[in-house]
Formats: sequence, C-alpha cells, structure tokens
Amino acid sequence: DTAVSQTPKYLVTQMGNDKSIKCEQNLGHDTMYWYKQDSKKFLKIMFSYNNKELIINETVPNRFSPKSPDKAHLNLHINSLELGDSAVYFCASSPGPGGRYEQYFGPGTRLTVT
Amino acid sequence: GNSVTQMEGPVTLSEEAFLTINCTYTATGYPSLFWYVQYPGEGLQLLLKATKADDKGSNKGFEATYRKETTSFHLEKGSVQVSDSAVYFCALSDDRGAQKLVFGQGTRLTINP
Repeated sequence: DTAVSQTPKYLVTQMGNDKSIKCEQNLGHDTMYWYKQDSKKFLKIMFSYNNKELIINETVPNRFSPKSPDKAHLNLHINSLELGDSAVYFCASSPGPGGRYEQYFGPGTRLTVT
Repeated sequence: GNSVTQMEGPVTLSEEAFLTINCTYTATGYPSLFWYVQYPGEGLQLLLKATKADDKGSNKGFEATYRKETTSFHLEKGSVQVSDSAVYFCALSDDRGAQKLVFGQGTRLTINP
C-alpha cells in the first residue's frame, strides 16, 4: 500500500488554466504539507495543515489554494497558471506538526505549464 | 532566518570510495537536523536524523554527527555503492515557531561501477 499518494503524476497544461493536484495519506498522520521543487532541485515548503487547520502559509501567490477536506487528504488548487509554476510538487505527511517528526513524501507531481 | 548550506554538486565517485557531503546551518534555538535522500523519479525519504548536539544519526552505512560548535552535520559513508546514486538534502527544523523543515539546495551524487 502506498503511504502518501498523489494524482496526477504528470500534468501538462497551458497558461491561464486552473488545475488541481490531489494528495492522500493512509498513515493516520495529523499533519500534511505541500512543497515545491524547482528545476534546480531546490525544495521549499508552501503550506502545512494540522488536523485540517492551516498552520504554515509561506509567501505563496494567492492563486494557490490548499484544501483539506479531512486529515487524510490535502489538495492543491492553482488558478491562472503561469510559466513559473512549472515545477515538481510534493505532498508529505507527518505524525504531528513539530519539525522533529519524520516527514513522509509522496512521489511528486510534475507540472509543466506551456 | 534559518538556512542550510550544502556543498555544491554534482559529486561523482567510484564504487567503494569514501563519501563526504558537507552541510552547515544557521538557526536560532536548538534545531533538529536531517538528511533526506531522493532517488530518481521518487519523493524524498528520511535517511537519518539527530535532535541534539553530539548526537550521531546513522542508517544504511551513512552517518552524520550534530556539531553545534561548527554548526555542521556532514554526511559520510565509508564505501559507496552504485545504488547510492541519488540527490541528498540536508535539512533543519527549529524548536520554536512553526518548526518547519528548511532544506539545503541538494547535492547530486553519482557512483560509477
């Protein structure tokens, strides 16, 4: 069983479109995250939810909107996609919100905006 | 703010060579330190961690020691294998505030047979 799964794995779309990426974890964790990895492999946190409550919201354009319908799911919706949004997006989860906990990462969603 | 600096890659070694990937950090408080590994086409996996000064994390033959005096957490392995080829990320999490993970820029390691 996959611990943290993301769909889709690849997403190719045009500028201006709206798209969503879904994430699910079956580990029973309370905390979930979205990260963006750019073309140089630099990884930066975007959002974090704990028990469906937003606890980390980095300086991210408000075109990005996370939604957590329950503890096991954290989706990322992106409006009006731009070329600069092309990246790999990783979902992760951990037992709790503290940084000392190990984070478990999904396989990533490669978003290409043309 | 908190930051992590890793040695520039890419690093290319022959099988059975000794590996060191340098990592230094800047943080307030008393951070926890981590090494994550990303194999091709996959997400990150925790390789090892240390939560206080002088702790040594180890896993799969890799080791790193939390050195507060030099603010370092260098990754070492005595004899690398082709299967160790991956991107390695050093990261820290502070013990205060949002306690988010801050990653270094990653070091790509290639091991040749």
